[in-house]
This record gives sequence, C-alpha cells and structure tokens, in this order.
Amino acid sequence: GAVVSQHPSRVICKSGTSVKIECRSLDFQATTMFWYRQFPKKSLMLMATSNEGSKATYEQGVEKDKFLINHASLTLSTLTVTSAHPEDSSFYICSARAGWGLGEQYFGPGTRLTVT
Amino acid sequence: TQLLEQSPQFLSIQEGENLTVYCNSSSVFSSLQWYRQEPGEGPVLLVTVVTGGEVKKLKRLTFQFGDARKDSSLHITAAQTGDTGLYLCAGLNYGGSQGNLIFGKGTKLSVKP
Repeated sequence: GAVVSQHPSRVICKSGTSVKIECRSLDFQATTMFWYRQFPKKSLMLMATSNEGSKATYEQGVEKDKFLINHASLTLSTLTVTSAHPEDSSFYICSARAGWGLGEQYFGPGTRLTVT
Repeated sequence: TQLLEQSPQFLSIQEGENLTVYCNSSSVFSSLQWYRQEPGEGPVLLVTVVTGGEVKKLKRLTFQFGDARKDSSLHITAAQTGDTGLYLCAGLNYGGSQGNLIFGKGTKLSVKP
C-alpha cells in the first residue's frame, strides 16, 4: 500500500508555456500533499504544502502565482508551472501524508521538467 | 529554523565494508525518518524512529534515534552494490501547524564491487 504516482514522468516545454504535473495517492486518501523541488545532487526543497479543499501554503521564496497548486480531492493534487523559464527546469517530487500511524510521507517517482 | 546536518555528504566504499551515516540537529523531533533515493526516482521510506534511544533493524541496516531525539544514525553492515543511492534523513516536528519534514542534505553512497 501507500503508492503515490506522478504524471508525467518527464516533460519538455518551451519558455513561456505552462506545464501541469499531477500527483495521485493510489491506494489511500491524503488530506495533505507536499510539493518538493530537487536540484542535481541536492536534497529536497519543500515548495508548498497542499491541503484538500483549501489554499496551499507556500514556503518562503516560492512564488505562488508561478507555481499554482490545486488539491481538489483527497487523492489528487496538481502543480502548474506557469510561464515556465529555463531556470524552472528541475526534478519536481510530490508526497502524500498517510492518515495512519506516524503520518509518514510517501513520495511519488518525480517529474523531470526541462524548459527550453 | 530547524536544521538537520547529515554527514558524510559523499561516501565511496568497497563491497563488504561497513559504514555509518549521521544526522544531527540542535532541535528535538517528534520522529525521524530515513529514505533512500535512486537517480530519477522519488525517495523510498526505509524506517521511522520515534522513541529516544530506539534501535530498528532492517536486514543489514541498523537505525538508531538518539536519547534526546535530536540525532540519528544509519549503519550498514557488509555493504552491497545494491545499497548504492542517496540516503536522506528527515525530521518531523508536529510543533508547526503543518507537521512538515525537515530534510538533511543527503549522503550519496557508492558501493563498488
């Protein structure tokens, strides 16, 4: 159990376009999902916390108008990178927090975004 | 701001050797989790430790939580090439409203045959 999927796994887009990344908890409901960004050979950087039915909470320095997060259901959160620029190229990973046990986070496989 | 210092940052060893990765903080955490991540994939949860002084074993991996719940270690016995990957520790503190994970910078382990 506790499987989280992400789609797409890889995406290449042109500068100025928008890209949507989906994060789904496949076998459990997650009231809270998290979006991270990871640079090469670096650790995970939390971008925002997404709660079902409410506005996301963004970390300091993360532009909420650029990284739009929607958590419409207990199994789906989306991250839309708007007006993408080459510096937005990165590995984006989502996680979903389980409602049982110690509330561990289970991570998706990540999405590699390349902006040309 | 809570910080988790993870060391070493890089570790290259021969198959069969033992190794220890450390995670230290000046802050107390409700629990601490260890993840392993392979290139191009998301982190996979290995273990969660909760109680100060707790020791958990997962085959050749031994995880320990410090008595004060400020530090943790991961010890791998007789490392295998399949252990290669990025190991991340992450502390959880329910003091904040969101209960976010605080990640260490990771230890990139390379086990050579």
